Amino acid sequence: EAGVAQSPRYKIIEKRQSVAFWCNPISGHATLYWYQQILGQGPKLLIQFQNNGVVDDSQLPKDRFSAERLKGVDSTLKIQPAKLEDSAVYLCASSPSRNTIYFGEGSWLTVV
Amino acid sequence: AQSVTQPDIHITVSEGASLELRCNYSYGATPYLFWYVQSPGQGLQLLLKYFSGDTLVQGIKGFEAEFKRSQSSFNLRKPSVHWSDAAEYFCAVATGGSQGNLIFGKGTKLSVKP
Repeated sequence: EAGVAQSPRYKIIEKRQSVAFWCNPISGHATLYWYQQILGQGPKLLIQFQNNGVVDDSQLPKDRFSAERLKGVDSTLKIQPAKLEDSAVYLCASSPSRNTIYFGEGSWLTVV
Repeated sequence: AQSVTQPDIHITVSEGASLELRCNYSYGATPYLFWYVQSPGQGLQLLLKYFSGDTLVQGIKGFEAEFKRSQSSFNLRKPSVHWSDAAEYFCAVATGGSQGNLIFGKGTKLSVKP
């Protein structure tokens, strides 16, 4: 079974630039998550989708971050404009049910 | 508010020795609890999970964890550590029922001495 796919794996940008990360969840998984993991910390939820709809985006900095999930499958997370403190790993995850959440390998962002 | 505490930031054990990683949670209802492992440059891999029933749960790679409601703990154990177990370990609690998201602890980095 294919896992959660993410791209790009690594990205370096200057502050105030924009960046987009793409995620393809495991086939058939209705729930999709984006987590932010800052170095030395545990992952923190940014946004949770159930099919096309947003379930929880309370911790998403909406002035600069946006996310969408088209047709209930792939998802894109965008940051514009980026700040230095956005340097982190952005983890996409998906789940069929019952909280068994499967994570991708992450997209590593460095803002300089 | 829900939270997870992993008191040990870094632990070093000798290969072949036993391991226990501590995890304490704060959650009002019956918790769904997880342990994940993260190797350098990799995503998170699920080791084991507790939803209900037997409080001692078995996971992959020879790991087990015991849920103790009275102590609000869910400690991870392994009887004999291998060098390949060196990684960062995260404890997490799920919120909001069966489709809730995960709240993670800050992680414990495990180093293994030869």
